[in-house]
Amino acid sequence: DAKTTQPPSMDCAEGRAANLPCNHSTISGNEYVYWYRQIHSQGPQYIIHGLKNNETNEMASLIITEDRKSSTLILPHATLRDTAVYYCIVRASFGEAGNTPLVFGKGTRLSVIA
Amino acid sequence: NAGVTQTPKFRVLKTGQSMTLLCAQDMNHEYMYWYRQDPGMGLRLIHYSVGEGTTAKGEVPDGYNVSRLKKQNFLLGLESAAPSQTSVYFCASSSGQGSNEKLFFGSGTQLSVL
Repeated sequence: DAKTTQPPSMDCAEGRAANLPCNHSTISGNEYVYWYRQIHSQGPQYIIHGLKNNETNEMASLIITEDRKSSTLILPHATLRDTAVYYCIVRASFGEAGNTPLVFGKGTRLSVIA
Repeated sequence: NAGVTQTPKFRVLKTGQSMTLLCAQDMNHEYMYWYRQDPGMGLRLIHYSVGEGTTAKGEVPDGYNVSRLKKQNFLLGLESAAPSQTSVYFCASSSGQGSNEKLFFGSGTQLSVL
């Protein structure tokens, strides 16, 4: 069962902000939300993660709602190179406590258009 | 600094043949993972390991076996390959499951079973 829900695809104009939503309504109180992206058929690449507060790094910003049931990844000035599949992921519901792995859903395919 | 290296990059098997995929990491990471990716399915976790000598089942473990005899290596075996195992296989590693866990991925192995 998927623990996160993302739209299958989105378009964004080059130079504009790309806002990618994710629903994780069953997330537990101490569980982080992670974002990765996959360009073409390469291995996924880490972007950012957060728990409660909003986070920002050189790649993106992460906005987490106060109830932590959803989050939004923001690419402030999307470029053509940001065209990729973006995954919002949390820990699996199986596995030994403290050793539960990260599981990926189907992600959102972001197309940045010139 | 190689990071995560997967061998081979491509392989074609006949139904019923066996093979082993090798994943090697040079970052002294404790945790290692094997995922498979099929078109439109995102990444699905096959098996994972939280340390040398340990393995655990992921979301889709059937038909695969793994071994972690050395900390730096994680082997994925197919004892009797089936066409349903045609996929792209990704290996990943991380330093541990804490607040700052980041997965580092290999470049993938394209496996075709005829």
